[in-house]
Amino acid sequence: GDSVTQMEGPVTLSEEAFLTINCTYTATGYPSLFWYVQYPGEGLQLLLKATKADDKGSNKGFEATYRKETTSFHLEKGSVQVSDSAVYFCALRGSSASKIIFGSGTRLSIRP
Amino acid sequence: GAGVSQTPSNKVTEKGKDVELRCDPISGHTALYWYRQSLGQGPEFLIYFQGTGAADDSGLPKDRFFAVRPEGSVSTLKIQRTEQGDSAAYLCASKPGGMNSPLHFGNGTRLTVT
Repeated sequence: GDSVTQMEGPVTLSEEAFLTINCTYTATGYPSLFWYVQYPGEGLQLLLKATKADDKGSNKGFEATYRKETTSFHLEKGSVQVSDSAVYFCALRGSSASKIIFGSGTRLSIRP
Repeated sequence: GAGVSQTPSNKVTEKGKDVELRCDPISGHTALYWYRQSLGQGPEFLIYFQGTGAADDSGLPKDRFFAVRPEGSVSTLKIQRTEQGDSAAYLCASKPGGMNSPLHFGNGTRLTVT
């Protein structure tokens, strides 16, 4: 079945560092891919998405490119801020279903 | 506007008791999802409703877990004869029409079975 694998955390970086959180997936057909974020004390919310190969999703300085050849959707940000400290979840919706499945999450902590 | 509301926010129950968790989705959202999230893990899919019907219940344990959405709005997840392994956060999310529209999550119900 469909699945998502993302890098284990926690990830700790200094402010203004470059961020990469890896995500790879297994799915038949052409899934849609998402990154959700959970800030402390809040519910999960959509950060960005990409619905077809080579699409780039972007929001709040974060980017991720849908790479079908490597089945990846890595999350990147050029200069992180303390306010980016949160748990990040990679997710996919299969091409023939509305079920959305999530990875295990990566906790990110940014030091001032 | 109002977001997804889940009640109660916390529930402590004794092993063997039944519990009911409620989800009020955003008005007008046709799809409603239930997930279970254990500590340090990602949300685990349980069931998805489109309107009143369960479109996919492949993640719902069949013997003790039941979910309904009788009028296509509020949903209730009922767990019978709770076990300590049921302790987790139960998340509800709703979304409008459109395959790739975003899920809007509530803050969850944290269930502890003692």
